[in-house]
Amino acid sequence: DAGITQSPRHKVTETGTPVTLRCHQTENHRYMYWYRQDPGHGLRLIHYSYGVKDTDKGEVSDGYSVSRSKTEDFLLTLESATSSQTSVYFCAISAGQAKETQYFGPGTRLLVL
Amino acid sequence: KQEVTQIPAALSVPEGENLVLNCSFTDSAIYNLQWFRQDPGKGLTSLLLIQSSQREQTSGRLNASLDKSSGRSTLYIAASQPGDSATYLCAVRGSTDKLIFGTGTRLQVFP
Repeated sequence: DAGITQSPRHKVTETGTPVTLRCHQTENHRYMYWYRQDPGHGLRLIHYSYGVKDTDKGEVSDGYSVSRSKTEDFLLTLESATSSQTSVYFCAISAGQAKETQYFGPGTRLLVL
Repeated sequence: KQEVTQIPAALSVPEGENLVLNCSFTDSAIYNLQWFRQDPGKGLTSLLLIQSSQREQTSGRLNASLDKSSGRSTLYIAASQPGDSATYLCAVRGSTDKLIFGTGTRLQVFP
């Protein structure tokens, strides 16, 4: 257990509503990541953070925004959820970017109707 | 653009067999390669991390090799057990400094 929690673990929402997913870590790691996992696509990076208020886009960032106001929390927001954003979302952390492994949270299953 | 491929997509073997999972990548300019395990409905667990300067890493019954020039890595599992049943994912960290994942190999080990 790398001290990562995600909330909520499951969510059902309707198209057009905003949704915020939370990732919380207790390890005080600098780097945090949001991925989505879909059949046939594997895991794809949405956004990542390399420090408080320092974030950058990943491979599939359209329709998503992030915020990191504290080291321990990294929030992922779907501004206006669409059915294509139905997925399993994973948060990950690492102590260093280039050489260190990443530790993953348990995931959030999101269904957009 | 880096692409990571894992073959086979699924594998079913009897308990006790030694097996090899394959991972290939298109851009050999990588920092490292990692193998992860994912159980159904769970997050990913890191198994082995191979830096670009290394050729292999071992942990218990697992051995991962890396051939950067040919763009290949293998995960060798010795004496497989039913508890090894899971999806195994490889991921490379390349020049973009981001992890690029393969789609995984779903392994079933039956008694």
